[in-house]
Amino acid sequence: QQQVKQSPQSLIVQKGGIPIINCAYENTAFDYFPWYQQFPGKGPALLIAIRPDVSEKKEGRFTISFNKSAKQFSLHIMDSQPGDSATYFCAASKERFGAGTRLTVKP
Amino acid sequence: DVKVTQSSRYLVKRTGEKVFLECVQDMDHENMFWYRQDPGLGLRLIYFSYDVKMKEKGDIPEGYSVSREKKERFSLILESASTNQTSMYLCASSPPGLLGRETQYFGPGTRLLVL
Repeated sequence: QQQVKQSPQSLIVQKGGIPIINCAYENTAFDYFPWYQQFPGKGPALLIAIRPDVSEKKEGRFTISFNKSAKQFSLHIMDSQPGDSATYFCAASKERFGAGTRLTVKP
Repeated sequence: DVKVTQSSRYLVKRTGEKVFLECVQDMDHENMFWYRQDPGLGLRLIYFSYDVKMKEKGDIPEGYSVSREKKERFSLILESASTNQTSMYLCASSPPGLLGRETQYFGPGTRLLVL
């Protein structure tokens, strides 16, 4: 059962563009929403996380927007760079992961 | 820096073989996890352990077992490997408690092919 739905599956943007990755969850008891970044050949690494008591969190070029009523949250990458090319996973609570989005940032 | 290491990066096994995947972490973390990662399905939790000799089933435990005899080591066992267990296996660890489980540190993964 997919408790966290993530879209799109893949995304290609030009350098400097703002890719947006979306996630939706079902269980209103979830209280922690992290994003992980995974480069080829590596395990996922925590990128940024948010709790449902705030609507936005920014760390550097990465921003999470959170809509509690819609049970949705999204990752925005400002001024994207080729080095941001990776697979991104959202998660809800602790061990519920989305299916992943493969991001390619073209030079 | 937290380091989570997995015994093999690539493994090829035959159907019916018993397979051991080993994971070691060096941060004295209480919590350890095993996931499998498949395209289009993301990471799915197989088992986790919150203490030595303790284990809890995750979402897809069928066909797997685990062992945690020492705090730093968490083993995943495929009792009789099948082709549908071909996957990338990821181990993770995290500090203790419910809040600790929120930040997981992953190993590089073991890509298992079952023929």
